[in-house]
Amino acid sequence: QQPVQSPQAVILREGEDAVINCSSSKALYSVHWYRQKHGEAPVFLMILLKGGEQKGHEKISASFNEKKQQSSLYLTASQLSYSGTYFCGTELDGSNYQLIWGAGTKLIIKP
Amino acid sequence: DSGVTQTPKHLITATGQRVTLRCSPRSGDLSVYWYQQSLDQGLQFLIQYYNGEERAKGNILERFSAQQFPDLHSELNLSSLELGDSALYFCASTNGRGGSNTGELFFGEGSRLTVL
Repeated sequence: QQPVQSPQAVILREGEDAVINCSSSKALYSVHWYRQKHGEAPVFLMILLKGGEQKGHEKISASFNEKKQQSSLYLTASQLSYSGTYFCGTELDGSNYQLIWGAGTKLIIKP
Repeated sequence: DSGVTQTPKHLITATGQRVTLRCSPRSGDLSVYWYQQSLDQGLQFLIQYYNGEERAKGNILERFSAQQFPDLHSELNLSSLELGDSALYFCASTNGRGGSNTGELFFGEGSRLTVL
């Protein structure tokens, strides 16, 4: 039931792009993305709803493919501040307010 | 600052002991979630309360219990502690906005529990 995140880790140079994927074997109602820096609390990035549109802003955006039960997080022209571990949380269709979290993708940005 | 307050920030105790972790949600948030995060691992959902009532339960051990009080603060009680209970325990609150059932979660800074 736990969504699968890929890759597990990625190392980039500042200014490069990254894509982080989150895939579920179950029908999803929503996908949530959070970023956690080492030793800190997770911080909300965005929610994507079934039937919704791609969300985000200029540099960080995400999409949700309902047919494939997959979501992708796009980080464009990465900055040092983007470093951290990215978690997706999935709400299943008909779920009881639980988010099921992926194992996380560790992103390291080097200058 | 998320507006969610957790105490204590750090706790060191011995096996077999009992501890209580406290969480004050953001003003106006009725829903409180508790998560356990072991070293460099993902978030394990423990339990959720909404306006004083238990709403959802995850993989919470029988040795663990929680409650949400009328003033909406919540406590997580961990008893008969084992070495494997050492982890970061997060509390998160939400007002349910964002369109999903869960909404945007605001996490506290966590309580780091070390069991020796």
